[in-house]
Amino acid sequence: RKEVEQDPGPFNVPEGATVAFNCTYSNSASQSFFWYRQDCRKEPKLLMSVYSSGNEDGRFTAQLNRASQYISLLIRDSKLSDSATYLCVVNMPSGAGSYQLTFGKGTKLSVIP
Amino acid sequence: EPEVTQTPSHQVTQMGQEVILRCVPISNHLYFYWYRQILGQKVEFLVSFYNNEISEKSEIFDDQFSVERPDGSNFTLKIRSTKLEDSAMYFCASSAVMNTEAFFGQGTRLTVV
Repeated sequence: RKEVEQDPGPFNVPEGATVAFNCTYSNSASQSFFWYRQDCRKEPKLLMSVYSSGNEDGRFTAQLNRASQYISLLIRDSKLSDSATYLCVVNMPSGAGSYQLTFGKGTKLSVIP
Repeated sequence: EPEVTQTPSHQVTQMGQEVILRCVPISNHLYFYWYRQILGQKVEFLVSFYNNEISEKSEIFDDQFSVERPDGSNFTLKIRSTKLEDSAMYFCASSAVMNTEAFFGQGTRLTVV
């Protein structure tokens, strides 16, 4: 069964706070992992890919734990502009040797002045 | 920066009518996708397309749907006889490699009345 699970939130945090989002996925044969952000009524925009070794891009750090089928995103020093919905996306087997990007429902973040 | 472009941004159509949604993927990308997002719900995969044929489709992508790459730049989604439940945001995406980082267009909001 294809499934990507996220806490829907909302997470309401003050500016400057550190916030962490988690995601779990159902299929251990999943290949690649991403975080996207989506502003209200806009398209998903790629935030970062997630690697087993963990990766960092400025204030954003992503981690992957394949054994636990768990992905995380950490945002440090939150800005007002970080307010958005964060989508966990997993490249998951769909059968017949093919893969498909499968989206979580997203976690909503509001950064408050 | 190269981007995926979609037209129109908003389409209103009567139930039973045919609609064609248009997309211009990023020029050096080879893999193209359509997704949809019903208001308040998660992004759902419809179809992937490579080398002028469908490589994968979901159960949503029934006989009412078709895709085409009529020339070297456009990628279209046709819904033959629209239903009320087809009302959603439709996103086109493209990637350089199958199911890796996909870049999304700004979407077409389809409203079926």
